[in-house]
Amino acid sequence: GAVVSQHPSWVICKSGTSVKIECRSLDFQATTMFWYRQFPKQSLMLMATSNEGSKATYEQGVEKDKFLINHASLTLSTLTVTSAHPEDSSFYICSATRVFGLPYEQYFGPGTRLTVT
Amino acid sequence: EDQVTQSPEALRLQEGESSSLNCSYTVSGLRGLFWYRQDPGKGPEFLFTLYSAGEEKEKERLKATLTKKESFLHITAPKPEDSATYLCAATGANSKLTFGKGITLSVRP
Repeated sequence: GAVVSQHPSWVICKSGTSVKIECRSLDFQATTMFWYRQFPKQSLMLMATSNEGSKATYEQGVEKDKFLINHASLTLSTLTVTSAHPEDSSFYICSATRVFGLPYEQYFGPGTRLTVT
Repeated sequence: EDQVTQSPEALRLQEGESSSLNCSYTVSGLRGLFWYRQDPGKGPEFLFTLYSAGEEKEKERLKATLTKKESFLHITAPKPEDSATYLCAATGANSKLTFGKGITLSVRP
């Protein structure tokens, strides 16, 4: 149990276009979903936290107008990278905590590799 | 500011050669210490949660332990399939996960 999926697994887009990444909890309802980005050989860096039906909370230094997060239901959150630029190329990973699970225990998706050309 | 430091950065072991991975943490109001395994190009896979000093958890060849300042992931008789990056993360009073940079483990047959 506790499976999280992401779609797409990789995407290449041109500079200036927008890209949407989906994160779904497949076999559980998620209290909270998180979005991270990870650069090669670096830690996962938290970008934002979202709860269903609420506005996302962004970490300091993360542009909320650039990284739009929509948490439409207890099983789906989306991250839209607007007007993407090459420096937005990264590995984006979502995670979720279960409604009836252990506190703070996050389950991660497989990640989405974004390349902006 | 919460900090999590892992050492060494990389570890190469011979198959069957047991060892330990270290995770030092400075977290205000620790609520949980987590270990994950991450394979190249994949998301982290949950391994263990530890909540209080003295706690230990085991799964197959892995055993995680926790003190007030450190956590160790002990690998007993590793196999090549244990090769991966092992991430340590902690949650404190701010309820956010702070990750270490990870330890890349290579196990040679």
